[in-house]
Amino acid sequence: DTEVTQTPKHLVMGMTNKKSLKCEQHMGHRAMYWYKQKAKKPPELMFVYSYEKLSINESVPSRFSPECPNSSLLNLHLHALQPEDSALYLCASSQDYFGGRLFFGPGTRLTVL
Amino acid sequence: DQQVKQNSPSLSVQEGRISILNCDYTNSMFDYFLWYKKYPAEGPTFLISISSIKDKNEDGRFTVFLNKSAKHLSLHIVPSQPGDSAVYFCAASARGGSEKLVFGKGTKLTVNP
Repeated sequence: DTEVTQTPKHLVMGMTNKKSLKCEQHMGHRAMYWYKQKAKKPPELMFVYSYEKLSINESVPSRFSPECPNSSLLNLHLHALQPEDSALYLCASSQDYFGGRLFFGPGTRLTVL
Repeated sequence: DQQVKQNSPSLSVQEGRISILNCDYTNSMFDYFLWYKKYPAEGPTFLISISSIKDKNEDGRFTVFLNKSAKHLSLHIVPSQPGDSAVYFCAASARGGSEKLVFGKGTKLTVNP
């Protein structure tokens, strides 16, 4: 199994809503990542978990809250988002912390109204 | 400051011909380079990588060339196929790939039948 899965595929939420994005991998990878991608831009790193501990927070606003319940799961909790947060949210994993190749999930297309 | 630059936002090529995608970098600490391909509404998928100890790496129709003195790499696709139409991201990392990946802005390749 060389797949990273993400749910939901699409999410529309209001600025007062609370929602969560979920990511799962069963490749035994010890590092997991959240990226944000806007149209015609490169993926932008948000958070990195290594061995279930938060290693990098790229100065992301606190309305985004990551969680790594175990080595296979990664969540991103969303609260009080702004319309400019609308983007494709990508989860990725790798064998080790930035150990070469990242495996990306298909992403969650988020729209904030 | 953009450390990885893909100066061509788009490239159009005829089926069967060669596609050449270019990437320049400024950080001399980068020593590991990757190409990712991205279709709309999907996450990026790994294509090919190269370490700075090599100047060429081949995988089927895909070849990456690295010119360290010019801080330049290129991806050659021969022969190009319509299914290759996608956005191609160049990415770079330091310390053999153990540092954060830095992505270029991407080049949209269109292969015309």
